[in-house]
Amino acid sequence: KNQVEQSPQSLIILEGKNCTLQCNYTVSPFSNLRWYKQDTGRGPVSLTIMTFSENTKSNGRYTATLDADTKQSSLHITASQLSDSASYICVVSARTSYDKVIFGPGTSLSVIP
Amino acid sequence: NAGVTQTPKFQVLKTGQSMTLQCAQDMNHNSMYWYRQDPGMGLRLIYYSASEGTTDKGEVPNGYNVSRLNKREFSLRLESAAPSQTSVYFCASSEQPHRLGTEAFFGQGTRLTVV
Repeated sequence: KNQVEQSPQSLIILEGKNCTLQCNYTVSPFSNLRWYKQDTGRGPVSLTIMTFSENTKSNGRYTATLDADTKQSSLHITASQLSDSASYICVVSARTSYDKVIFGPGTSLSVIP
Repeated sequence: NAGVTQTPKFQVLKTGQSMTLQCAQDMNHNSMYWYRQDPGMGLRLIYYSASEGTTDKGEVPNGYNVSRLNKREFSLRLESAAPSQTSVYFCASSEQPHRLGTEAFFGQGTRLTVV
């Protein structure tokens, strides 16, 4: 069964600290993996996309990694800011039909002063 | 730049009532989608439209109908609302099919409560 799991479910960190969010998937055959940020009351916004051949990709203070062999991805946030408080969603696509775009349940991150 | 615009933002329905959620995008995208988001679960695809004039069922289509009115607009209709349809609904669009890795752009969502 195609699944995307994320951990932790929620996380609270102090402003300025770093954190890492995890995504494990069983979607097959793998095409790509995106990380989205969803602010409260808003729609998701893409942060980065990872394809099979990519191991690491950065977008400012966000760095995503992908291990296609173990089917794991992580999103590392450096020097967190209050505006990083949001839900982070891992989305994995398969190389077949439309219904193989699987959204993870998200990790809720709270950055406190 | 408006992007993807959904209306309404909030709605309360009584069981059995009908309503239509409206969605419009101004990015000239071919593909459009309707998702629902429930607590503790990932977004689930209700219906999608690969191009103007075509629609297909997603993972959870029961109780819903859609219309791709033109390239810009994609509406979602609940014919007879049920409490199980209480959810947050998101419309999205992308230049190419989402599964190919193309970024999907989402609206702000419609929070629907069915009592």
